[in-house]
Amino acid sequence: KAGVTQTPRYLIKTRGQQVTLSCSPISGHRSVSWYQQTPGQGLQFLFEYFSETQRNKGNFPGRFSGRQFSNSRSEMNVSTLELGDSALYLCASSPGTEFYIQYFGAGTRLSVL
Amino acid sequence: KQEVTQIPAALSVPEGENLVLNCSFTDSAIYNLQWFRQDPGKGLTSLLLIQSSQREQTSGRLNASLDKSSGRSTLYIAASQPGDSATYLCAASGAGSYQLTFGKGTKLSVIP
Repeated sequence: KAGVTQTPRYLIKTRGQQVTLSCSPISGHRSVSWYQQTPGQGLQFLFEYFSETQRNKGNFPGRFSGRQFSNSRSEMNVSTLELGDSALYLCASSPGTEFYIQYFGAGTRLSVL
Repeated sequence: KQEVTQIPAALSVPEGENLVLNCSFTDSAIYNLQWFRQDPGKGLTSLLLIQSSQREQTSGRLNASLDKSSGRSTLYIAASQPGDSATYLCAASGAGSYQLTFGKGTKLSVIP
């Protein structure tokens, strides 16, 4: 079974631009969560989608948004990029069993110049 | 609001030594606790998940324990190897939620 796939692996953008990151969960998984990892703040929860509905959202500004498609693939969008958005963005999928185990992708490294 | 703390931030041990990594959390109403490993520049690899009703889980040389009443979890690594060098993260989730609250990790270096 293929793991969680995130594309692209690396991105370089300039301030003010917008970016879209993609995540394909493990086949059969219906929950997709997004996290931001920075050296200073560590791993922080962005949002979680289940069956195309956002169920939970972390404490991030509205510039961060996401969506989930009917095939469970998810995208995350960041508009009006700031230097502080430079981070590793990780996606996790879960089968939706009662144990809530999470499986992570390799991440997308975003650099904002 | 759940807060997760991992001490120490970094640890260096000689190969073959047994070691314990610590994780503490402020809200004992967790649903489960998960330990992950992260290699430099890579994603997270799930090592062990302990449900709130369990006290410990084992996988090979790894053993994780959970004490909800004291708000603590430990990851025990037996007979450490250089390949164990990585950052180890613990994360707690609440009931009915896929949201994980992470500690900042312990960077482990196993010296040959």
